[in-house]
Amino acid sequence: GESVGLHLPTLSVQEGDNSIINCAYSNSASDYFIWYKQESGKGPQFIIDIRSNMDKRQGQRVTVLLNKTVKHLSLQIAATQPGDSAVYFCAENPHTGNQFYFGTGTSLTVIP
Amino acid sequence: DGGITQSPKYLFRKEGQNVTLSCEQNLNHDAMYWYRQDPGQGLRLIYYSQIVNDFQKGDIAEGYSVSREKKESFPLTVTSAQKNPTAFYLCASSMGGLLYNEQFFGPGTRLTVL
Repeated sequence: GESVGLHLPTLSVQEGDNSIINCAYSNSASDYFIWYKQESGKGPQFIIDIRSNMDKRQGQRVTVLLNKTVKHLSLQIAATQPGDSAVYFCAENPHTGNQFYFGTGTSLTVIP
Repeated sequence: DGGITQSPKYLFRKEGQNVTLSCEQNLNHDAMYWYRQDPGQGLRLIYYSQIVNDFQKGDIAEGYSVSREKKESFPLTVTSAQKNPTAFYLCASSMGGLLYNEQFFGPGTRLTVL
């Protein structure tokens, strides 16, 4: 979920379990969303995106769900692996100047 | 390899000095962006450029300057006017326009003011 301050929300899961990471976005005009994965000291990597005309989109081991009514986005990771340990954050685009607005992120730790 | 490169990876600066961070992309993207990342906070936009020789201020442009003389390059200067410059700086690029275009990020530059 979203957070203000120095401490990220954290999620710990056992290897092989499914993970669900949540994001509340702020702008009802946002019509394009991206989930990024960021490992320590590295730049964010694109995971999956979704447009507002969709409720669900699936990729390899990942699924994004969009609930426009409550402005909520979630990322589901199936069969979580140690390499999935990272910070995950969502980005929303209201298409004003092609800017994205980023959440603070959730730190995922996978326990072997 | 196609992608975005940033240099240097680590940068140390004394107070009162200007410093320039490099960002280069060979993706033929029109749009480029600079973000600042602080612990526990989301990425904040410093400057962006939709096309060569044009750029706009983001949410936290004070104390920073940019140029966009070439499509592939978008250097960021952190000036002595930036009150708290120690941070992780990320450059990104996208195809631009109003289409649903993802942003690709570089590896980042960690700037520390001594």
